[in-house]
Parts: sequence; structure tokens; C-alpha cells
Amino acid sequence: EPEVTQTPSHQVTQMGQEVILRCVPISNHLYFYWYRQILGQKVEFLVSFYNNEISEKSEIFDDQFSVERPDGSNFTLKIRSTKLEDSAMYFCASSETNSYQPQHFGDGTRLSIL
Amino acid sequence: TQLLEQSPQFLSIQEGENLTVYCNSSSVFSSLQWYRQEPGEGPVLLVTVVTGGEVKKLKRLTFQFGDARKDSSLHITAAQPGDTGLYLCAGFSNTGKLIFGQGTTLQVKP
Repeated sequence: EPEVTQTPSHQVTQMGQEVILRCVPISNHLYFYWYRQILGQKVEFLVSFYNNEISEKSEIFDDQFSVERPDGSNFTLKIRSTKLEDSAMYFCASSETNSYQPQHFGDGTRLSIL
Repeated sequence: TQLLEQSPQFLSIQEGENLTVYCNSSSVFSSLQWYRQEPGEGPVLLVTVVTGGEVKKLKRLTFQFGDARKDSSLHITAAQPGDTGLYLCAGFSNTGKLIFGQGTTLQVKP
């Protein structure tokens, strides 16, 4: 069964550095998402992306964050000038035809900011 | 703001027992989804309930959507150690983003 893949599985970065988290959504899916889960807290929506532009973003997704689909397969989340509180699991998801379709999640990237 | 509250947050039971997890909101949702998340993995969709009053069964798991579409429940019959995990309910906001409950951690002891 097709799946969403994320790399790396674990990223350790010094505070203030930039990180890029990578995702390969399911190939025929058109909608892409990033979610964040801080340890012990809820899974939180960050951003949705369709047709090469952001559809919706949460209040968490400020100017520090950006997303990009650099080619036909990858979907990336860039975090500039990382802060300690950015430490979390970051999940990528994709859905087939619209944002109300079931979303398929990757296994996440654990981001640790030191 | 649409919120989903799950209860209980933690549940530890013996193999063979039955259990129910609740997901409640003061808001109406067009649908609710239940996910299961294993440590180190992403949430995996179990079921989507769409119609008020709908009941769906997945082997020993029974999912119900409230008549008013503000709440849902997950009932597991004769729980097994393999059912251990984090169970999440989630609903779509009116803009299509998923809103998650805080999850219920289930431990089934042999």
C-alpha cells in the first residue's frame, strides 16, 4: 500500500540553525499537510498546501516557517532560526482529492533543538 | 474555536476486558475520524464516521457518532495486548484542517 515517507527520522540541530524536513507524499495525492506534536501534547495543524500554494496555515506557522514543493515528489518544511520550543515530532500527511478526504500520515521526523 | 476532548487520557486494563473511549465537543463536526498511533510512528486512520447516529464496526472495535455530530465513542470488546497504543479522535474544521483530541493512551496487560 502506498505510504507517505519522511526523512530524516530524527534531526538534532543547534538553536538558531535552519532545518529542512522532507516528505514524499503518496504519488496521486494533491493535498499536503504538516502537523506538529510536542511531547505529551496534541497533534497540531501547521499548514495545508494545494496547487503549489498554501491553502491554510495556523497561528503557529509564522514567518519562521515555510513550505515548498521543489519537484514533483518532495514536500518540504523549512524552519529558520530554530528555537528550543520547536523541538517536536513533525508529521507530513497527504490526501487524495480535497482537504476533507482521509489524510495519510508519515511516521514523522523527531526534531531536537539543543 | 473547535475543540475535541477525549476521555479518559490513560487507561490500563487486563486482557479480555471491555473499554470505551469518548471524544466530545461543543461544536458540530461534518465527520469524525479515529486514529491509532504507535510509538515512533504516525497516526493511522481506523475509521471515519459521517452521519449522526452512525455505528461502524472494525472487528472488535465499535465506533459511534453522536446524533448531533458533536461526539463519538470507541468501544473495544475483549481487549488484547495488541490493542495497546494511543487512540486519537480528529475532526475536520469548516476549512478542512484536522483538529485532534489529546488522545487516550491504552495499555492492555496480558
